[in-house]
Amino acid sequence: KQEVTQIPAALSVPEGENLVLNCSFTDSAIYNLQWFRQDPGKGLTSLLLIQSSQREQTSGRLNASLDKSSGRSTLYIAASQPGDSATYLCAVGQGGSEKLVFGKGMKLTVNP
Amino acid sequence: DAGITQSPRHKVTETGTPVTLRCHQTENHRYMYWYRQDPGHGLRLIHYSYGVKDTDKGEVSDGYSVSRSKTEDFLLTLESATSSQTSVYFCAIRGVLRPEAFFGQGTRLTVV
Repeated sequence: KQEVTQIPAALSVPEGENLVLNCSFTDSAIYNLQWFRQDPGKGLTSLLLIQSSQREQTSGRLNASLDKSSGRSTLYIAASQPGDSATYLCAVGQGGSEKLVFGKGMKLTVNP
Repeated sequence: DAGITQSPRHKVTETGTPVTLRCHQTENHRYMYWYRQDPGHGLRLIHYSYGVKDTDKGEVSDGYSVSRSKTEDFLLTLESATSSQTSVYFCAIRGVLRPEAFFGQGTRLTVV
């Protein structure tokens, strides 16, 4: 059974810091990995999708990497801003099925 | 934003009553999912669909049923609501050629 872990569960940083958010998974037979953000009381917004054949994806200040062999993905946020405060979740697309398995998320607070 | 709509957005119901939540998409995506989100548990898959009339169970399917008679609609039914089914329910869609998952805004269900 695939398990997805995000540690730490919460992080508080001052504005301007470069951040690395971690996501680990137990079964490397994935076909993609996706990062989302969720604002309080809202749905999930897709940030980046990495296919299993890719090593990284970039969008603006965000960069996500994928290392299937070690079962890890990182989301890098450059020059963090208070507007980046949200919960960040990663989800893996499970190989052999169409299921998406989520981590429990990491709550990020960027202080002005 | 992906064309995905959940209804209702909020509902309060009594224990033992049937409840149906609707997810509607305008993207013609093949895959549709129902998740529930609870504090401490994150997002957990209830059921998913990989085509019209094709559905499968997720990790927390007990007490829930689904139907998909048209590509655009995926219904989640609680046959006899219980207090443990108080949660926020999210629908997601995903395509074949476009595997990025998109989420609806959620339905907050309270069972009293």
